Amino acid sequence: EAGVAQSPRYKIIEKRQSVAFWCNPISGHATLYWYQQILGQGPKLLIQFQNNGVVDDSQLPKDRFSAERLKGVDSTLKIQPAKLEDSAVYLCASSLRGTFSRTPYNEQFFGPGTRLTVL
Amino acid sequence: SQELEQSPQSLIVQEGKNLTINCTSSKTLYGLYWYKQKYGEGLIFLMMLQKGGEEKSHEKITAKLDEKKQQSSLHITASQPSHAGIYLCGADRGSQGNLIFGKGTKLSVKP
Repeated sequence: EAGVAQSPRYKIIEKRQSVAFWCNPISGHATLYWYQQILGQGPKLLIQFQNNGVVDDSQLPKDRFSAERLKGVDSTLKIQPAKLEDSAVYLCASSLRGTFSRTPYNEQFFGPGTRLTVL
Repeated sequence: SQELEQSPQSLIVQEGKNLTINCTSSKTLYGLYWYKQKYGEGLIFLMMLQKGGEEKSHEKITAKLDEKKQQSSLHITASQPSHAGIYLCGADRGSQGNLIFGKGTKLSVKP
């Protein structure tokens, strides 16, 4: 079974530029998450989708961050314009939550992440 | 809001030694997840605990959730270099199924 795919793996941009990250979840997983992990910190949820609808975006800085999952499969996270403090690893995860599953809990499967450096 | 505190922040052990990592919550835990992360990689799921007093093991790693469901420990027996990495505990943030994470414990194992 293929895991969660993310691209690019690394990105270096200057402040005020725009950047986009792509995520393809595990096939059949209804729920997709974007997390931001700043160096030395644990991941922080930015946005959660179930199919193509937003479940939770309360921690997404909406003035500069946007995300979409138009067909309920892959997703794009965009930052426009980027700031220095956006330097972090952006992790995508998916889970079976929201699908017909006998999984008793919400195990999330993570992709390798995209490491963003803003200069 | 709920917070997770992990201790220690970092740990260096000699290969073959046992070690314990703790995760303490400011609120009752309804689902506690342990993940491992290697530098430059995503998180790998280790175990999930839900019931007070629950204990699970996988190979040489054992995780427990205390009876009051506010603290979990991760114990590694006879550590190996392959155990090196960052261990993160995560808790269900609410009914939506997303997680809040601790800051992680960085483990180094000296051969």
